Amino acid sequence: ETGVTQTPRHLVMGMTNKKSLKCEQHLGHNAMYWYKQSAKKPLELMFVYSLEERVENNSVPSRFSPECPNSSHLFLHLHTLQPEDSALYLCASSQGAGGSYEQYFGPGTRLTVT
Amino acid sequence: DQQVKQNSPSLSVQEGRISILNCDYTNSMFDYFLWYKKYPAEGPTFLISISSIKDKNEDGRFTVFLNKSAKHLSLHIVPSQPGDSAVYFCAASAAGNQFYFGTGTSLTVIP
Repeated sequence: ETGVTQTPRHLVMGMTNKKSLKCEQHLGHNAMYWYKQSAKKPLELMFVYSLEERVENNSVPSRFSPECPNSSHLFLHLHTLQPEDSALYLCASSQGAGGSYEQYFGPGTRLTVT
Repeated sequence: DQQVKQNSPSLSVQEGRISILNCDYTNSMFDYFLWYKKYPAEGPTFLISISSIKDKNEDGRFTVFLNKSAKHLSLHIVPSQPGDSAVYFCAASAAGNQFYFGTGTSLTVIP
């Protein structure tokens, strides 16, 4: 495997379910990100991890809970989501954290909340 | 309020001609700009970047121009090829902080 991988690629869940999105990067990067992309909206940064420490949390509701057990893996735990949370969730990684480094994206997880 | 705007949702260009994709921004503190390309069912892939100390950066068929006074960024693709058909996103950051993305422009290159 190379680059940034995400699983699952598609997820349908009810509002009372609990699920997790997984991201893995094989690039030796130190920073990882979660973005949300809703239809006709720009990518919204959700969380940033640098060397497994969360460095940014952009006012994301607590029903989204990130976890970064090591520099290669990033999870997004989901619980009691709302239909408006349906979106494409993209994971990215970069050599360092912040806006001085190109970010490499995974293919995304298409989430539908019913 | 969006700090990075791509006002053209779509663009069609004949193969071999020039494609020009535009991006405007509002934050004068932005000092680093990127363009990404996205195919369906794939994540965005990095294409080309430019820092605010330059006004042009070229990489093969792709050239990015930066006009700081107008707060305007453009991506030129010449000659355009059918494989360039994708959604193009611009992104900007200030002082190494987070990137702000535009909503994307869907480019179709007609053979």
